Amino acid sequence: QQQVKQSPQSLIVQKGGISIINCAYENTAFDYFPWYQQFPGKGPALLIAIRPDVSEKKEGRFTISFNKSAKQFSLHIMDSQPGDSATYFCAASLETGTASKLTFGTGTRLQVML
Amino acid sequence: DADVTQTPRNRITKTGKRIMLECSQTKGHDRMYWYRQDPGLGLRLIYYSFDVKDINKGEISDGYSVSRQAQAKFSLSLESAIPNQTALYFCATSDSIADTQYFGPGTRLTVL
Repeated sequence: QQQVKQSPQSLIVQKGGISIINCAYENTAFDYFPWYQQFPGKGPALLIAIRPDVSEKKEGRFTISFNKSAKQFSLHIMDSQPGDSATYFCAASLETGTASKLTFGTGTRLQVML
Repeated sequence: DADVTQTPRNRITKTGKRIMLECSQTKGHDRMYWYRQDPGLGLRLIYYSFDVKDINKGEISDGYSVSRQAQAKFSLSLESAIPNQTALYFCATSDSIADTQYFGPGTRLTVL
């Protein structure tokens, strides 16, 4: 049972363009929504995260947009750079003492072309 | 993250063999996790431990076992490896206050 659905599976964007990755979740009890970035040969690393009490969070070129009523959230990468080429995972977790137990999406492989 | 180390980094083994993957952390975190990563399936939780005396099954624990030898060490064992356990395995840690998980560099396991 996949509780977090991620799309697209892969994405090719030109340098300077906007990359958009979408995720949808089913469990309305999820209370924390992080995005992880993974470079080849490395483990995932936290990129940016949001809680459902806000609709948007921005850190530099990276923005999370959150739509609680639609149970969807997305990652926007502005002015995409070749160094952003990586695999991106959305995730969600529950509060109530298990906030660190994450359910991950299936990942999006982003390639930024020169 | 150099604070979370995994050994071995690569391992090729044969069907039926017992294998142990080890994870050590110097971050002082109390929570540790084992995930496997497969193409198109993302990261799936195998086991997690919130302290030394706490072990919990994740979504895909069948065929695996774990041992939390100390706060800093969490091992994953495959008692009798099978080819569909070929995957990339990650250990992660977090503390009980923040939600960020810190991942190790991974172990690439191939079962022939």
